[in-house]
Amino acid sequence: DTAVSQTPKYLVTQMGNDKSIKCEQNLGHDTMYWYKQDSKKFLKIMFSYNNKELIINETVPNRFSPKSPDKAHLNLHINSLELGDSAVYFCASSQGTYQPQHFGDGTRLSIL
Amino acid sequence: SQQGEEDPQALSIQEGENATMNCSYKTSINNLQWYRQNSGRGLVHLILIRSNEREKHSGRLRVTLDTSKKSSSLLITASRAADTASYFCATDGDSGAGSYQLTFGKGTKLSVIP
Repeated sequence: DTAVSQTPKYLVTQMGNDKSIKCEQNLGHDTMYWYKQDSKKFLKIMFSYNNKELIINETVPNRFSPKSPDKAHLNLHINSLELGDSAVYFCASSQGTYQPQHFGDGTRLSIL
Repeated sequence: SQQGEEDPQALSIQEGENATMNCSYKTSINNLQWYRQNSGRGLVHLILIRSNEREKHSGRLRVTLDTSKKSSSLLITASRAADTASYFCATDGDSGAGSYQLTFGKGTKLSVIP
């Protein structure tokens, strides 16, 4: 069974559209994250979500919003997509802070 | 930012040789982690070393940590073609608001030639 799963794996869309990426973890972890990896492989934290506490990286545009219906899911919604949003987005989870994180296989977002 | 920086950016070795990657960071940490990323896949956790530890082993992996120099190294012994991947170090730290964030370096791309 996949521990952290993301859908879709590939997302191609036009500038200005709104899209969502879904993430589910079956590890029973209490903390989930969203990361953005650019074309140079630089991985940057966007959000962390623990016990209903959302920590936002202040550099993330407010067009990005995480939504967590329950502890096992953390979805990412993006409004008004821009060319610079093209990247691979990774979901991850961990049990508590300072613990190893388990990553999904990423969603490759391409903006036309 | 306490972003880790890996060195070298790329490393190419023959199968059976050892591979050493280094990581430097800027501020104090609670622990440091190493991850591997195969092409087109997510990151996989390899090893975590706490700030009060100096060395840790896991199979063919050996990690050292020098907090006085704010640096860590990852040694992969007897490398295999399957070790071909990018390797990242990640440091943690409390932002002051009780949050926990891992800050990743830019990675070392390791190529093991059969």
